[in-house]
Amino acid sequence: DAGITQSPRHKVTETGTPVTLRCHQTENHRYMYWYRQDPGHGLRLIHYSYGVKDTDKGEVSDGYSVSRSKTEDFLLTLESATSSQTSVYFCAISEWGGAYQPQHFGDGTRLSIL
Amino acid sequence: SQQGEEDPQALSIQEGENATMNCSYKTSINNLQWYRQNSGRGLVHLILIRSNEREKHSGRLRVTLDTSKKSSSLLITASRAADTASYFCATAEETSGSRLTFGEGTQLTVNP
Repeated sequence: DAGITQSPRHKVTETGTPVTLRCHQTENHRYMYWYRQDPGHGLRLIHYSYGVKDTDKGEVSDGYSVSRSKTEDFLLTLESATSSQTSVYFCAISEWGGAYQPQHFGDGTRLSIL
Repeated sequence: SQQGEEDPQALSIQEGENATMNCSYKTSINNLQWYRQNSGRGLVHLILIRSNEREKHSGRLRVTLDTSKKSSSLLITASRAADTASYFCATAEETSGSRLTFGEGTQLTVNP
């Protein structure tokens, strides 16, 4: 299995609070991705990074920000969580452009916002 | 918006039978990938097929791609209970750069 660790694995928090999810990789891959998975929607891309300090928006980026200060860490922040952001969040990595090669996924963070 | 759409949404078969899942998409692609997801786990990559390929095999898996019909199929032969999972297609659109677009998945149940 690719060395991808997501933390925390589960979190329950209240509306309006800030939340940060962490993705840590040991593969030294250039690309990192954050997805959310919801019933009826499959996986949707939130943000991705193609290098340290290089990030871009995905399909559902509103309400989310990301940061990548080191190759191995990609952080997803919900500045002020809303109930609509209750979801399972997956981090993925790929050695280079993820559209041209497989992506490897972590086991997800289940986030509940009450 | 979803690029890939899997069909059927759910499939239940007996061990030893073959399972076929289909994926349709809307725009021109560079490649199409299939992933498996076991309950409570992340996605695992199965096969990548490029737009200039028509068929690809990996063990008990066979993937076909028909770019004229904008469709792909995943065949799992001689299925096992351990194949029970959700299966997703993901497309790399020609204009999407580094991004994949995932379908909603097919839930496969293989009964012992």
